[in-house]
Amino acid sequence: EVQLLGSGGGLVHPGGSLRLSCAASGFTFSSYAMNWVRQAPGKGLEWVSAISGSGDTIYYADSVKGRFAISRDNSKNTLYLQMNSLRAEDTAVYSCAKGYSTSPLVYFDYWGQGTLVTVSS
Amino acid sequence: SYVLTQPPSVSVAPGQTARITCGGNNIGSKSVHWYQQKPGQAPVLVLYDDSDRPSGIPERFSGSNSGNTATLTITRVEAGDEADYYCQVWDISSDHKVFGTGTKVTVL
Repeated sequence: EVQLLGSGGGLVHPGGSLRLSCAASGFTFSSYAMNWVRQAPGKGLEWVSAISGSGDTIYYADSVKGRFAISRDNSKNTLYLQMNSLRAEDTAVYSCAKGYSTSPLVYFDYWGQGTLVTVSS
Repeated sequence: SYVLTQPPSVSVAPGQTARITCGGNNIGSKSVHWYQQKPGQAPVLVLYDDSDRPSGIPERFSGSNSGNTATLTITRVEAGDEADYYCQVWDISSDHKVFGTGTKVTVL
């Protein structure tokens, strides 16, 4: 059974940093692309970033490019999102989502439950 | 940037058919995927590549994609289909994944 367990969320001041983690199990982690998707309270889904199975191809949404960094440790079956220069508009539930294949271009076939990030003074 | 537009809400009586549209410039040239999200839950993939169903998704869910509109159709709607639905594509011009604005389906 595929399981994606996000952690690392919390309350942070504007301009601060936070690192999210997503522990994966139930599949061969290195064979699949992974993504971060966020959802602000009461709002729709917003794709944040994608990384290929090997980690050599990465994409970012314009809203986070230059501030967030996605990475993965295939030896630990863990996905990360380093978030810097956080803004109030980054407040959302952040979820990791598994891609259907190693390519970061494909759809999401499994989602984790998410971790809440609140940016506020 | 590429924009996908969905109606904010669709209401349907049990047993009837719900159609949820997803509008985008020449969306017919892209592969469209659909997700269902119930309150407090993670999204679930219900259709991929315009009209293919993952295992476990009922045949009542079907899709089409042509021109500037993709459509998710739910036949014989049940109370359990009440949820938010999102379309999604990969926009090759920007190397971005894009979600639609989302549609809340209410079963009357």
